[in-house]
Amino acid sequence: QGQLQESGPGLVKPSQNLSLTCTVSSGSITSRSDYWSWIRQPAGKGLEWIGRIYSSGRTNYNPSLKSRVTISLDTSKNQFSLKLQSATAADTAVYYCANGSLMDVWGKGITVIVSS
Amino acid sequence: QSVLTQPPSASGTPGQRVTISCSGSSSNIGSDFVYWFQQFPGAAPKLLIYNNYQRPSGVPARFSGSRSATSASLAISGLRSEDEADYYCAAWDDSLSAFFVFGTGTKVTVL
Repeated sequence: QGQLQESGPGLVKPSQNLSLTCTVSSGSITSRSDYWSWIRQPAGKGLEWIGRIYSSGRTNYNPSLKSRVTISLDTSKNQFSLKLQSATAADTAVYYCANGSLMDVWGKGITVIVSS
Repeated sequence: QSVLTQPPSASGTPGQRVTISCSGSSSNIGSDFVYWFQQFPGAAPKLLIYNNYQRPSGVPARFSGSRSATSASLAISGLRSEDEADYYCAAWDDSLSAFFVFGTGTKVTVL
């Protein structure tokens, strides 16, 4: 299992898309059967699972976010990505990527603020 | 939005045993495995328990998990100062489409 690093804009304007990338630094993202997940945590609050993608491309999403979320793989860059459409202030949070069916490997997280 | 309910806080003195409860339903804890995560301030969560009671390599044996019907619990025996952290239970929920749900979280304080 490799190291994970989130990247993307730290500030997003309301109504714009929130897009983040997680780079896998060890091992191919598709060389093994595995799950790649996104989780977020608003400041001072609990964890919220956003969704995950399997190495085959199959996805599962949180029903509360499903209409706005897309998780995808970029095998050429060994990355997986999160796109959250029509962001609002309620989407302000620390966003984590994680690896494994058990989510036993996590990135350090990236803070995203949705504000004009 | 969480469907897994935990007490907001728990505390104990060094050496004591502390137990954290996690209450769910038949669509999550009642039908699938329970996971526990530990999170220190400013850090990413860490998997502590999986498949109800199993510990990943490196997790001390004083952390133990159990599940009964639609509830689960995490016990910390021989509480240590470095155990002061937030703890979250989690499970898969199949009430709509399969999705992963975290508990509300419990802050453990070592007195």
